[in-house]
Amino acid sequence: GAVVSQHPSWVICKSGTSVKIECRSLDFQATTMFWYRQFPKQSLMLMATSNEGSKATYEQGVEKDKFLINHASLTLSTLTVTSAHPEDSSFYICSATSEGNTIYFGEGSWLTVV
Amino acid sequence: AQSVTQPDIHITVSEGASLELRCNYSYGATPYLFWYVQSPGQGLQLLLKYFSGDTLVQGIKGFEAEFKRSQSSFNLRKPSVHWSDAAEYFCAVGNTGGFKTIFGAGTRLFVKA
Repeated sequence: GAVVSQHPSWVICKSGTSVKIECRSLDFQATTMFWYRQFPKQSLMLMATSNEGSKATYEQGVEKDKFLINHASLTLSTLTVTSAHPEDSSFYICSATSEGNTIYFGEGSWLTVV
Repeated sequence: AQSVTQPDIHITVSEGASLELRCNYSYGATPYLFWYVQSPGQGLQLLLKYFSGDTLVQGIKGFEAEFKRSQSSFNLRKPSVHWSDAAEYFCAVGNTGGFKTIFGAGTRLFVKA
């Protein structure tokens, strides 16, 4: 079964609103979580690295004020897309790892901004 | 910086034929290497991974990959392709200790009857 769960799997929101996506590690404590974005027919692009209890590290070109990442506990990281616009519509995937172990990917969340 | 190149955007093979998907990586140390498969509209499924040890890695669904340090390659192979293997395949490299994973552009596999 899934060891990393994302919620919601699908979300539609109106332009200008904010939407939150959760990433949970179910069977282990995730010291580090990663957030990716995947546009249709493209590869996964790393957006940010999230360590529990500290600020996320964003990749170049990713707006930190638009994509708010919070890793408040060892089992939960959230990605909030603020003031969403249609161009933010994408497939968002998280992954989680614990020290010295392997990495697990969530099943992804489809965001559609209308 | 780590990077991954998948030179083939798409490949078409006949059902029952052998398959090889190419992957080249760039990383300063010994990398963690992965192959993932993604069906349309779905998440990622891990096919196999290489961290250390035997350079020929066996994965699920009959896939295998060989790590060749001298060529900086980690090509994915399958001796006999099934129609259900049609999907997008991603090679990825992770840094040691942190698993910050960078993905290649992907190779779309088409299987013809």
